[in-house]
Amino acid sequence: EVQLVQSGAEVKKPGESLKISCKGSGYSFTSYWIGWVRQMPGKGLEWMGIIYPGDSDTRYSPSFQGQVTISADKSISTAYLQWSSLKASDTAMYYCARHVSIAASPDYWGQGTLVTVSS
Amino acid sequence: DIQMTQSPSSLSASVGDRVTITCRASQGIRNDLGWYQQKPGKAPKRLIYAASSLQSGVPSRFSGSGSGTEFTLTISSLQPEDFATYYCLQHNSYPRITFGQGTRLEIK
Repeated sequence: EVQLVQSGAEVKKPGESLKISCKGSGYSFTSYWIGWVRQMPGKGLEWMGIIYPGDSDTRYSPSFQGQVTISADKSISTAYLQWSSLKASDTAMYYCARHVSIAASPDYWGQGTLVTVSS
Repeated sequence: DIQMTQSPSSLSASVGDRVTITCRASQGIRNDLGWYQQKPGKAPKRLIYAASSLQSGVPSRFSGSGSGTEFTLTISSLQPEDFATYYCLQHNSYPRITFGQGTRLEIK
């Protein structure tokens, strides 16, 4: 069974750093892309970027380029989304999702990680 | 970026109704479109891929059609568990993947 299991909810202060994770199982982690999606409170879905864990090829949506870093550790089948300096506007639910290819819609999704940034 | 305009933004319907949601792309995207259902507090779930292919395990009352710039998601006979928010997603212009703004389907 394909599963993407994300790390737990985080509460951070503005200016702090954060790295959240997404662990894949039940499939060949290095053969599929992992994308990240943001959902701000009460709002719609925004696609942030994508990584191919096989070779760490990473692409970003222009809206998120330079704002976050996507990475992966294929040895532990885990993808990451990180911030170096959080802002209150980063408060959102973040989902990871699997793509069969970079040109395909995501099929399986993680359960989401809620990030709250507040002073 | 390719803009996806979804309509309506909200919709009230009754159990048993036939419902259609539309997504229009600002430029042609072939059939590079998926439809997703999201229930409160849950991750999105893919219903349709490649504009008209039914995801495995999804009830056949869901169907998708369209190509190019206009796409529809149809629910042939609404069931109580179908009340949710629905999103389209275009993946033609990767890595500039974009979602529609969502359609909230409520019980009348």
